[in-house]
Amino acid sequence: AAGVIQSPRHLIKEKRETATLKCYPIPRHDTVYWYQQGPGQDPQFLISFYEKMQSDKGSIPDRFSAQQFSDYHSELNMSSLELGDSALYFCASSLGGRGREQFFGPGTRLTVL
Amino acid sequence: GESVGLHLPTLSVQEGDNSIINCAYSNSASDYFIWYKQESGKGPQFIIDIRSNMDKRQGQRVTVLLNKTVKHLSLQIAATQPGDSAVYFCAESAGFKTIFGAGTRLFVKA
Repeated sequence: AAGVIQSPRHLIKEKRETATLKCYPIPRHDTVYWYQQGPGQDPQFLISFYEKMQSDKGSIPDRFSAQQFSDYHSELNMSSLELGDSALYFCASSLGGRGREQFFGPGTRLTVL
Repeated sequence: GESVGLHLPTLSVQEGDNSIINCAYSNSASDYFIWYKQESGKGPQFIIDIRSNMDKRQGQRVTVLLNKTVKHLSLQIAATQPGDSAVYFCAESAGFKTIFGAGTRLFVKA
């Protein structure tokens, strides 16, 4: 069965650079979630989209922005990167809006040097 | 702020025994609760969920109990197997926002 695809899987950036992470949800899924997970930490909810509209927002820095496109894929844009942004970034998708099972992707490991 | 936490950071059980992982949540408005399993280097994997209008739900070898009075959630794993070794997270959801707890590492001894 098709799963959530994230790209790139690994990304190394310098401080103050920008990064774009991509998420391709399971086909027909209409909801996308983004999470940040630091080493040994729990996943922190960043932002979610339902039917291409932002549906909720969590602890996402102002330096980050995201959107969901017409084909339902989503991109997380990160600017002015800081050392503390180094983490695993997970995307999850679900079908039918809130309160549905979320299927997680393999994550993008971002390292900021 | 909102938070979901776990009472025990690690749990070690003998293969074949039952495991119980506990979790406390704080947002009374949460109406959807989920348990996830995460293996090293992988994304969280859905185990079982429960809605606030229920107090118990069973799956294959797993049971989730919800006590809204004391805002407590538990995951019971029957006949724990070595493949169950992982970090387990509880999560609560209100709307689209999903808040994860701190995680419990489960060790299964053969």
